[in-house]
Amino acid sequence: AQTVTQSQPEMSVQEAETVTLSCTYDTSENNYYLFWYKQPPSRQMILVIRQEAYKQQNATENRFSVNFQKAAKSFSLKISDSQLGDTAMYFCAFNSPGGSEKLVFGKGTKLTVNP
Amino acid sequence: ETGVTQSPTHLIKTRGQQVTLRCSSQSGHNTVSWYQQALGQGPQFIFQYYREEENGRGNFPPRFSGLQFPNYSSELNVNALELDDSALYLCASSLVGFAWSFGSGTRLTVV
Repeated sequence: AQTVTQSQPEMSVQEAETVTLSCTYDTSENNYYLFWYKQPPSRQMILVIRQEAYKQQNATENRFSVNFQKAAKSFSLKISDSQLGDTAMYFCAFNSPGGSEKLVFGKGTKLTVNP
Repeated sequence: ETGVTQSPTHLIKTRGQQVTLRCSSQSGHNTVSWYQQALGQGPQFIFQYYREEENGRGNFPPRFSGLQFPNYSSELNVNALELDDSALYLCASSLVGFAWSFGSGTRLTVV
């Protein structure tokens, strides 16, 4: 069974600075997808960034980028130029193609951006 | 383009009762998944429907059941509610895999 581990329950960062959230996962699959989702107080899960395991290049979306280390089964999220609106819960998630396309989530990291 | 909408937003039920939660998928999406998110935890997969058929289920008892309708809207039904069923229930829809749109959830409290 696939598992996703986020070892940082809470983190804080000053506005405009950079923060990195950690995620490790366990799977025997070779082809899969990894995601970072943001859940603000509004409760809606918002996709931040997605990485396909077969792509060696790390995904980037504006201020958000990942460090994907397939051999180490590590998938960290870097947020540059942190903004107050980045304050939220962040969940790392795993998905393997074929069958039901369920997402397996970690327990989340609560990020607070301080002014 | 209308996103995923869920109703109701909040609900309080008594232990032993039954509850139905509803989800309208994003326009054009034919796959819907339901997740349970307990307080302080990540979402846990309940089940998934594709074109009105269940095509995957997580580790939840049979008293959790669902339906998907021809217009791809969906229901989650929970019978014989227990206190541990108190959680945020999230619905997500997709047309193709790995591009899921989530609703804002229904907060269920069982007393």
